Amino acid sequence: QVQLVESGGGVVQPARFLRLSCDTSGFTFRSHAMHWVRQTPGRGLEWLAVISHDENKRYHADSVNGRFTISRDNSKNRLYLQMAGLRPEDSAVYYCVRAPSGLAAVDFWGPGTLVTVTS
Amino acid sequence: IVMTQTPLSLPVTVGQPASISCKSSQSLVHSDGNTYLSWLQQRPGQPPRLLIYEISKEFSEVPDRFSGSGAGTEFTLKISRVETEDVGVYYCMQATQFPITFGQGTRLEIK
Repeated sequence: QVQLVESGGGVVQPARFLRLSCDTSGFTFRSHAMHWVRQTPGRGLEWLAVISHDENKRYHADSVNGRFTISRDNSKNRLYLQMAGLRPEDSAVYYCVRAPSGLAAVDFWGPGTLVTVTS
Repeated sequence: IVMTQTPLSLPVTVGQPASISCKSSQSLVHSDGNTYLSWLQQRPGQPPRLLIYEISKEFSEVPDRFSGSGAGTEFTLKISRVETEDVGVYYCMQATQFPITFGQGTRLEIK
């Protein structure tokens, strides 16, 4: 079955860097676009970025553009989110999410990894 | 695109129907002819789970008491008979245009 497992979250100081990973299994990773979405109690669900199956297309939300970068390694079935210049408002649960086809829409979600940005 | 859900809180008696509305600030019809409007369920302590995609298509293993309808800018999720396991927060989501956006969520509770 489709499995997505995020890792790399934790407590980090403002302005620092963090890289999240998402290990996948149960499907042909290289055939699917992938998203990152985060969730906070105050702002709800917020889409962050998407990357096409072949890495040729990447889109980032304005709120993180220039600070966060989505990438993938199809040889390892792994998705990444590199986060730089972290701010307290980036504290959230970060989810890795599969796109069923194309870039639009989502289907399977990982359990999430918690990032806390605090001094 | 702004997604607006109503109500934000929905107390329902087990066995009774429930309905959640979602309105988008602009049409969700994509240039490819599809409408990328989905409904997600988030049970307490769990990640969101896809229930319905493209307005009315049921995702795998979703009970048939869940159904979606609508067009253009107005959409509805209906639960024909609420069960205790349906407690949680329901979100509409549009993926017609980037950035993907979500409704605020509707919290369903059992009376």
